[in-house]
Amino acid sequence: DAGVTQSPTHLIKTRGQQVTLRCSPKSGHDTVSWYQQALGQGPQFIFQYYEEEERQRGNFPDRFSGHQFPNYSSELNVNALLLGDSALYLCASSLTTYEQYFGPGTRLTVT
Amino acid sequence: DQQVKQNSPSLSVQEGRISILNCDYTNSMFDYFLWYKKYPAEGPTFLISISSIKDKNEDGRFTVFLNKSAKHLSLHIVPSQPGDSAVYFCAARSYNNNDMRFGAGTRLTVKP
Repeated sequence: DAGVTQSPTHLIKTRGQQVTLRCSPKSGHDTVSWYQQALGQGPQFIFQYYEEEERQRGNFPDRFSGHQFPNYSSELNVNALLLGDSALYLCASSLTTYEQYFGPGTRLTVT
Repeated sequence: DQQVKQNSPSLSVQEGRISILNCDYTNSMFDYFLWYKKYPAEGPTFLISISSIKDKNEDGRFTVFLNKSAKHLSLHIVPSQPGDSAVYFCAARSYNNNDMRFGAGTRLTVKP
């Protein structure tokens, strides 16, 4: 049973560029959440997608946007990258609303 | 606003002894609490959870205690094993709110 997968593993971008991160949820899961984890901190909730709609959003600017496809996979897009966007981006999937299963993350470095 | 706090960045214990990881929260609306374990280069793995209607939940070597009046929870690992060495995150959420809040994590090292 494949767990949550994310791509790419690592990414280096320049300030001002745009980036797209991808996530495939665990089989049978229909809800995808995205988190940003800065160095030395816990994950911070960006937003959650369910039935191809953004269900809830954390305290992140509109530069962060997402999408969920009919097969439940999801993308996270970040526009106009800032140095402060450098972090580990985690995707989590769930069927119930409480227990989330995390992928290995995408390490984004903005130079 | 950091609503979930893990005040100990690191903890070192001897194999076979008890590990106690602590977590404090400020939001009284939180009603569900979780512990995640994270190894390097992997995503957090769900470990154990507890609802606010309980004060204790056990799963094998892992026990979580919740003190609602003190807004404090703790994770006990008995006996500790070297394979338990990882970063442990405490997380909390409230009913109908999908914004799960995490602490900054505690790095546990279990020495053989």
